[in-house]
Amino acid sequence: DSGVTQTPKHLITATGQRVTLRCSPRSGDLSVYWYQQSLDQGLQFLIQYYNGEERAKGNILERFSAQQFPDLHSELNLSSLELGDSALYFCASSDPAGGSYNEQFFGPGTRLTVL
Amino acid sequence: GQNIDQPTEMTATEGAIVQINCTYQTSGFNGLFWYQQHAGEAPTFLSYNVLDGLEEKGRFSSFLSRSKGYSYLLLKELQMKDSASYLCAVRDQDTDKLIFGTGTRLQVFP
Repeated sequence: DSGVTQTPKHLITATGQRVTLRCSPRSGDLSVYWYQQSLDQGLQFLIQYYNGEERAKGNILERFSAQQFPDLHSELNLSSLELGDSALYFCASSDPAGGSYNEQFFGPGTRLTVL
Repeated sequence: GQNIDQPTEMTATEGAIVQINCTYQTSGFNGLFWYQQHAGEAPTFLSYNVLDGLEEKGRFSSFLSRSKGYSYLLLKELQMKDSASYLCAVRDQDTDKLIFGTGTRLQVFP
């Protein structure tokens, strides 16, 4: 158990719909990262937040948005869903000020299926 | 541009040694990570290199050559439970985000 939690574990929805994925980082971690992993694809970085502020953006679609709240949990909002958005969405957290490696700890993921 | 290359698949026998290579070309570099990922599960941290050389951690070792843009993960005394994908990732110099390769799927046979 990495200490990072994600809900829901599974999500099945239809094209055109909007969903919200939630992530709670490890206690004390200020950075939250969102990644997308499509079938047989590598992890694609979407967006990073640090202490409530957006810090880096990857190839995140305009239909996707995210935010980090004062309690440091984060939400990823996906709208106007398309079949190609079906994927595993991982959240990771790290503490830039702590640890030898500052490695990212990954949550269990949310499997999104768009029908 | 940023590019990380790993072999797509490898097979090995239980008890053997396997080396998984990773080459990278990135605009910035602040360390290289190896993660293990079982199908449908979260990646878990295996090793980290930021300086050239070999880092050993039990049955797992990782090597880095920054001048060559090259790393490898060495797994010794393979066990069936080592069947998984192994992800090479470079940390961005400015933001700490990780840039992942597509991963190497390792199958260990008895």
